[in-house]
Amino acid sequence: RKEVEQDPGPFNVPEGATVAFNCTYSNSASQSFFWYRQDCRKEPKLLMSVYSSGNEDGRFTAQLNRASQYISLLIRDSKLSDSATYLCVVTGQGGSQGNLIFGKGTKLSVKP
Amino acid sequence: DTAVSQTPKYLVTQMGNDKSIKCEQNLGHDTMYWYKQDSKKFLKIMFSYNNKELIINETVPNRFSPKSPDKAHLNLHINSLELGDSAVYFCASRIGRGSGNTIYFGEGSWLTVV
Repeated sequence: RKEVEQDPGPFNVPEGATVAFNCTYSNSASQSFFWYRQDCRKEPKLLMSVYSSGNEDGRFTAQLNRASQYISLLIRDSKLSDSATYLCVVTGQGGSQGNLIFGKGTKLSVKP
Repeated sequence: DTAVSQTPKYLVTQMGNDKSIKCEQNLGHDTMYWYKQDSKKFLKIMFSYNNKELIINETVPNRFSPKSPDKAHLNLHINSLELGDSAVYFCASRIGRGSGNTIYFGEGSWLTVV
């Protein structure tokens, strides 16, 4: 099982749609969880951290299920500018707890 | 006023050459990283330094040698370049080694080996 798995997509949605991304991780000892966004030919940038109780930032909602080792990201009212690849990120094992393990990303394309 | 800057941004070179990529961060962070993103877009850690000390060294060929002259700089030297080394190399930094802290990436160095 890969350390962090995501559906690669692409997800092609119209403006205004609600879209959900899922992610599973293999290391039950992971402490921290994030969603990063990467635009084409650009560096990854932090979108939001993911907390156990779930958290929301504007149109974005992140959920964590530690028992199932599952993370989700919900985007409401999609904008053209949301088109990007969304990377699920968890922390590494043991002494590498500070190490971030990236999923391959899910590509989102929002159309007019 | 770039926080994490790396040079060169683009590099095209022949097989067998030796090349270096430089990275500097002006955020005052203690920890710096090199990540590699290959053609399949998979972003994978290569090295991590904390206050000039190597703390993570993933399974990377020893042709890759990181060097940290001070905590604001982490350079990557690659010997005897191979076709498979073609990728985007991202430098990154964060405060401390704690898992909850945000990591900031440079814009990437696009290496093409021909």
